[in-house]
Amino acid sequence: GESVGLHLPTLSVQEGDNSIINCAYSNSASDYFIWYKQESGKGPQFIIDIRSNMDKRQGQRVTVLLNKTVKHLSLQIAATQPGDSAVYFCAENSREYGNKLVFGAGTILRVKS
Amino acid sequence: ETGVTQTPRHLVMGMTNKKSLKCEQHLGHNAMYWYKQSAKKPLELMFVYSLEERVENNSVPSRFSPECPNSSHLFLHLHTLQPEDSALYLCASSDGPDTQYFGPGTRLTVL
Repeated sequence: GESVGLHLPTLSVQEGDNSIINCAYSNSASDYFIWYKQESGKGPQFIIDIRSNMDKRQGQRVTVLLNKTVKHLSLQIAATQPGDSAVYFCAENSREYGNKLVFGAGTILRVKS
Repeated sequence: ETGVTQTPRHLVMGMTNKKSLKCEQHLGHNAMYWYKQSAKKPLELMFVYSLEERVENNSVPSRFSPECPNSSHLFLHLHTLQPEDSALYLCASSDGPDTQYFGPGTRLTVL
């Protein structure tokens, strides 16, 4: 899950396994959510997004699940590959925030070969 | 990464120097952003420009001065920075309140 502070949570998975990265968001009025991937030395890269009128959305090898009741967002990566190793951020937005995205601290995903 | 470019990629400067970071977006977006990313901290929004007007200044010290001459270009002018300003500075753009696309960042070190 997400945490704020000096130590980012780390998820270690074996190559080929599925990964689940979790995020707890704070604003019940948030209506738009995004997952980003950031590899070392690069900027955050858009992975997938979801609006609050949906509870699931699938992309290529990735699925985002939204549970508004408990304000929880998850990113599932199927058949995790070494190239998936990165820091993953969730971000939330709402009309209250205008054009501002609020980011979580991130989760480190390490894929073992 | 070619959608949003940033230069330079790395910058080392002394506390008395003046330097500028440049960002260019090739996506036709109407909003641009500056973020600061420090080690193991959430991304910190610094400035937001929408249709070339500054709409957000997130309590950023005056030693950071943004400039947005047109919808494709964004600058961050730096003057008399402190060592704690060392960080990765990220530029992003979006089409309205939608997904933001990031550049590769400028790694800034202040000596």
